[in-house]
Amino acid sequence: AQKVTQAQTEISVVEKEDVTLDCVYETRDTTYYLFWYKQPPSGELVFLIRRNSFDEQNEISGRYSWNFQKSTSSFNFTITASQVVDSAVYFCALSEANRGSTLGRLYFGRGTQLTVWP
Amino acid sequence: EAGVAQSPRYKIIEKRQSVAFWCNPISGHATLYWYQQILGQGPKLLIQFQNNGVVDDSQLPKDRFSAERLKGVDSTLKIQPAKLEDSAVYLCASSLEGTLNTEAFFGQGTRLTVV
Repeated sequence: AQKVTQAQTEISVVEKEDVTLDCVYETRDTTYYLFWYKQPPSGELVFLIRRNSFDEQNEISGRYSWNFQKSTSSFNFTITASQVVDSAVYFCALSEANRGSTLGRLYFGRGTQLTVWP
Repeated sequence: EAGVAQSPRYKIIEKRQSVAFWCNPISGHATLYWYQQILGQGPKLLIQFQNNGVVDDSQLPKDRFSAERLKGVDSTLKIQPAKLEDSAVYLCASSLEGTLNTEAFFGQGTRLTVV
């Protein structure tokens, strides 16, 4: 069965600190997709990053970076030099493909509430 | 481009009443999802459509929940009769069909309170 675990319920940091959000996943599929979404107080889930299971290359995009390690089933997300506007709930999610070519259901973790203090 | 549109934003009803939510996906997105997000939890899929066909409704409480997407574009999710535990945010999302290099785009959701 598919499962996503975000062990950190809440994290508080001071502005300009770096912060890493942890995500551990379980799946029996060899092909799957991992995502990070941000949910600000307005409620809309905002897509941040996507990673395919066959691509373990870690990248940096602006202040965001991620560390995907299949050996430990982890997909951690780092915000560098955090800002107050980064305050939100962050969700890690896992998906497989339906019928080989369409994005299937997303399995979400419980989310991590990030608060960045000025 | 316009995002996923949902209405209403908020709804308060009494238990045993019925309620309906509407969603208009991003233009050209053949796949549409309805998720339920209970306070303090991550969203959980209720139903997934591809065009006007159901792909996955395994977690939909079919005794009280129903959804349709008649013309393969906008969709309606209905609850009848509502229970207290249905209080949640109902999120609609859409994605492109035929590619896995995509993501689900979410609307702002409908916050339902059942009293």
